[in-house]
Amino acid sequence: GAGVSQTPSNKVTEKGKYVELRCDPISGHTALYWYRQSLGQGPEFLIYFQGTGAADDSGLPNDRFFAVRPEGSVSTLKIQRTERGDSAMYLCASSLNDGREQYFGPGTRLTVT
Amino acid sequence: ELKVEQNPLFLSMQEGKNYTIYCNYSTTSDRLYWYRQDPGKSLESLFVLLSNGAVKQEGRLMASLDTKARLSTLHITAAVHDLSATYFCAVYTGNQFYFGTGTSLTVIP
Repeated sequence: GAGVSQTPSNKVTEKGKYVELRCDPISGHTALYWYRQSLGQGPEFLIYFQGTGAADDSGLPNDRFFAVRPEGSVSTLKIQRTERGDSAMYLCASSLNDGREQYFGPGTRLTVT
Repeated sequence: ELKVEQNPLFLSMQEGKNYTIYCNYSTTSDRLYWYRQDPGKSLESLFVLLSNGAVKQEGRLMASLDTKARLSTLHITAAVHDLSATYFCAVYTGNQFYFGTGTSLTVIP
């Protein structure tokens, strides 16, 4: 079956612009996670959805970052007023339920110039 | 603050040799995961360890978990070039997965 997909695969934007990153999880997976990975580092937790609700958003670095999952499937990570420090690989993962094996998408590489 | 530490961070080994990567964590958890990441790619799940004493093997890789010591190991047997990648462990607790900093493995022919 289809795995986790993320679009776009690459995004280059100018400092101060708004960006949206999309994640399409595996069908039937209720848990969805967003991570940010900088070069040479492990993935850093951003937010976790269980169904439509954000069960844990404690990893979002500041109020410029926001994520939604309105129908419990596709999720969008939104970043306002982007800064150069936001440049990273953004990874999405889904699992059948919280704490079970995660399946990662291919990631979106965001570059803020 | 929860810490997940891997060592070594960098590992260069010859084909055919054995080695172990260590993952120490600072919280109580009985769920430990190992992932592989190739350069520029996403993470691939290798092992899911869900109880104390769990041991899983796949090909030349074997992972184990000691929840009392808060330690997991990833053992490589008779390394081959195809195993060159970065390996991450991750601990699950409190709705979150906490990842280690990764071990970059290079297998030299």
